[in-house]
Amino acid sequence: AQSVTQLDSQVPVFEEAPVELRCNYSSSVSVYLFWYVQYPNQGLQLLLKYLSGSTLVKGINGFEAEFNKSQTSFHLRKPSVHISDTAEYFCAVSDLQGAQKLVFGQGTRLTINP
Amino acid sequence: NAGVTQTPKFQVLKTGQSMTLQCAQDMNHEYMSWYRQDPGMGLRLIHYSVGAGITDQGEVPNGYNVSRSTTEDFPLRLLSAAPSQTSVYFCASRGGSWSDTQYFGPGTRLTVL
Repeated sequence: AQSVTQLDSQVPVFEEAPVELRCNYSSSVSVYLFWYVQYPNQGLQLLLKYLSGSTLVKGINGFEAEFNKSQTSFHLRKPSVHISDTAEYFCAVSDLQGAQKLVFGQGTRLTINP
Repeated sequence: NAGVTQTPKFQVLKTGQSMTLQCAQDMNHEYMSWYRQDPGMGLRLIHYSVGAGITDQGEVPNGYNVSRSTTEDFPLRLLSAAPSQTSVYFCASRGGSWSDTQYFGPGTRLTVL
């Protein structure tokens, strides 16, 4: 079975500063990895995903993530954040054989201060 | 395309009552699923379906039933609501491959008194 740990429940940063949201996973098999964003009172929206190939994955809204197999991590980064990035971010994992069994982390609330 | 739609947006139930949360998608997606979101716990999979007539249990299926009679609809039934089922419920759908994007509905906020 897979599990996901998001190491920070809340991350406050100033506008235009860089940010990294950390995600570690545990699995005995190869996995797919995802980052989702949830804006207030909305459903989840896919930011980016790693299925195979290049370990650096670029997503929407200027976000990117790097898959590190040896450290079982999939950290999300953005070089310069905006007020509009205020949201909750979820890391998720699925094994390659799974149908719809996405396992989510607990979420990280990103707050951007002016 | 309306995407994934859920009704109702809000619902208050008394313990022991039953209800059905509706989910529909107009993208002809094979895969549909139900999650519940609780503070500090992320989203947890309740049930999922890989096509019409095929459903399976997720991580937290107890107290919930599903059926998939059509490709478009995937209702979630609470037969006897309990306070522990107070949560926000999300329906999601995607095509037949993990390379396809998974789309989430706007959610249903359920309170059980």
